[in-house]
Amino acid sequence: NAGVTQTPKFRILKIGQSMTLQCTQDMNHNYMYWYRQDPGMGLKLIYYSVGAGITDKGEVPNGYNVSRSTTEDFPLRLELAAPSQTSVYFCSARGAGPNEQFFGPGTRLTVL
Amino acid sequence: GQNIDQPTEMTATEGAIVQINCTYQTSGFNGLFWYQQHAGEAPTFLSYNVLDGLEEKGRFSSFLSRSKGYSYLLLKELQMKDSASYLCEGDGSNYQLIWGAGTKLIIKP
Repeated sequence: NAGVTQTPKFRILKIGQSMTLQCTQDMNHNYMYWYRQDPGMGLKLIYYSVGAGITDKGEVPNGYNVSRSTTEDFPLRLELAAPSQTSVYFCSARGAGPNEQFFGPGTRLTVL
Repeated sequence: GQNIDQPTEMTATEGAIVQINCTYQTSGFNGLFWYQQHAGEAPTFLSYNVLDGLEEKGRFSSFLSRSKGYSYLLLKELQMKDSASYLCEGDGSNYQLIWGAGTKLIIKP
């Protein structure tokens, strides 16, 4: 039981490049979330999903896209990377109702 | 609007007790969570309150007052490994999760 896994762990992008951050969970949880965390700051919600085929914007969605074709996978897409997207990205999953979130280890992204 | 406030940084002594406060404003309320985050790592769940009162889990306790929009995390018998950031998260309406900026706790010997 791996919980929530994220790949890659680290990535350096050039301005304008695109990439997909992968997130997979094996807990069969319906709710999944993508956050970014800038140094010394809290978590900002980018996108979330309440089940396969259903996604919605969070607090800071601009510059990102998501899809949720299966319960297990919730990839985050950056189309035109910008230096402002340099951050640590966390994916999480949780069960129905008010419930604890299980986080992946994070992806540290630098855009130069 | 929706907002969560907590102090930026606190310092405490090993073996002592520390209380980290969190005030919140959310549209709808489904619970308040506390997470611990060590530097360079992902947050991990500590405790959860949905009803008023105190929830105790070993050295850690969390309190909630819904009428006052207020919660605190109480850490007893502080250990050096408790040096971390403590994040307050509120479950609002429409699946929206609102996070505080985190309180960095520094433990001194």
